[in-house]
Amino acid sequence: QVQLVESGGGVVQPGGSLRLSCAASGFTFSSYGVHWVRQAPGKGLEWVTYIPYDGNYKYYADSVKGRFTISRDNSKNTLDLQMNSLRAEDTAVYYCAKDLGVEALADYWGQGTLVTVSS
Amino acid sequence: QPVLTQSPSASASLGASVKLTCTLSSGHSSYAIAWHQQLPEKGPRYLMKLNSDGSHSKGDGIPDRFSGSSSGAERYLTISSLQSEDEADYYCQTWGTGMGVFGGGTKLTVL
Repeated sequence: QVQLVESGGGVVQPGGSLRLSCAASGFTFSSYGVHWVRQAPGKGLEWVTYIPYDGNYKYYADSVKGRFTISRDNSKNTLDLQMNSLRAEDTAVYYCAKDLGVEALADYWGQGTLVTVSS
Repeated sequence: QPVLTQSPSASASLGASVKLTCTLSSGHSSYAIAWHQQLPEKGPRYLMKLNSDGSHSKGDGIPDRFSGSSSGAERYLTISSLQSEDEADYYCQTWGTGMGVFGGGTKLTVL
């Protein structure tokens, strides 16, 4: 069955960096795009970034552009999110989610990993 | 870019039906959306993709009680025979030109 498992969350000081990973299994990872979506405490879902199946393009929300970098390794079935210059407002649970394949709508989701930016 | 608008809250009685609405902004009425359910303290779960013509394809294991329909810029999620475990937040999602978009979510209370 499809599984997405995020890791790498933790507590980091403002201005610091963190790298999240998402391990995929149960489907042909190289055929699907993947999103990172976050949810601040008590808030709704916020789209963060998306990478298509081949990694040739990368899309970012304005709130993270220039600070976050998405990447994927189709040989290892993994997705990464490098987060630099972290701010308090980046505090959230971060989810990875694969897309439907035919278009960039999410279907399967991971369980999430919590990132807390605090001094 | 499309904007998705959802009512913040809805409520309905156990065993009844409820229809949640997601409205696409002007000029984007042809867009497909996805509906997602988020139970308390859980990650989101994909319910279905819903096209502008009302056709929809549900995710694995989604009960027949969940259905979708469309009218113009409105996208609907109907849950029939409401059960207590349907109490959750419901989000719609679409994809614009190079960016993802989520609605603000609707918190459904089952009375």
